[in-house]
Amino acid sequence: NAGVTQTPKFQVLKTGQSMTLQCAQDMNHEYMSWYRQDPGMGLRLIHYSVGAGITDQGEVPNGYNVSRSTTEDFPLRLLSAAPSQTSVYFCASSYAGDEKLFFGSGTQLSVL
Amino acid sequence: AQKVTQAQTEISVVEKEDVTLDCVYETRDTTYYLFWYKQPPSGELVFLIRRNSFDEQNEISGRYSWNFQKSTSSFNFTITASQVVDSAVYFCALSEPARDDKIIFGKGTRLHILP
Repeated sequence: NAGVTQTPKFQVLKTGQSMTLQCAQDMNHEYMSWYRQDPGMGLRLIHYSVGAGITDQGEVPNGYNVSRSTTEDFPLRLLSAAPSQTSVYFCASSYAGDEKLFFGSGTQLSVL
Repeated sequence: AQKVTQAQTEISVVEKEDVTLDCVYETRDTTYYLFWYKQPPSGELVFLIRRNSFDEQNEISGRYSWNFQKSTSSFNFTITASQVVDSAVYFCALSEPARDDKIIFGKGTRLHILP
């Protein structure tokens, strides 16, 4: 099993550009989420989804959009990148919101 | 609102010493789940333990042990006879499934095990 697959691993953007971080899981997990990790800030929840067609905001949702059209995929969209979005992004999935999370390997994003 | 506090930002100990990482949580729910994750220097996030609010028994797994105390809202993690491979960032997390499906993390504790 591939588990949770995130692409790309690295990305550099210019301010104002848009992009989508991809996340896919092959474990038939209903729950998926996106976190960002910044030095000294830990992991902060951006958006999460409890199933296909359902998404909700986390702690730091501004500047990010998500959708969940299938159980397997949960892409994160930056519509107009800002330097404050420079971070490491992790996608995670689990059977439910109270179960252990399986994490992807992360995406290191730099916005210049 | 749910909150997780890991007051120790960074800890350094000499190999073979015991070390305890503190985790204090805030919740208004009676049903909740607590987690610990490890992030080694390679960057991946590894699940260590999940504990529900109704199970206050301490747990031991090899050199790792966890002390859950509802009276002090703490879920502390102890590594016995630490090894260099234990060097990592450790995160504590909280889930309140009756309220929403957010899993909120603390800011983490960076642990250095010195040879």
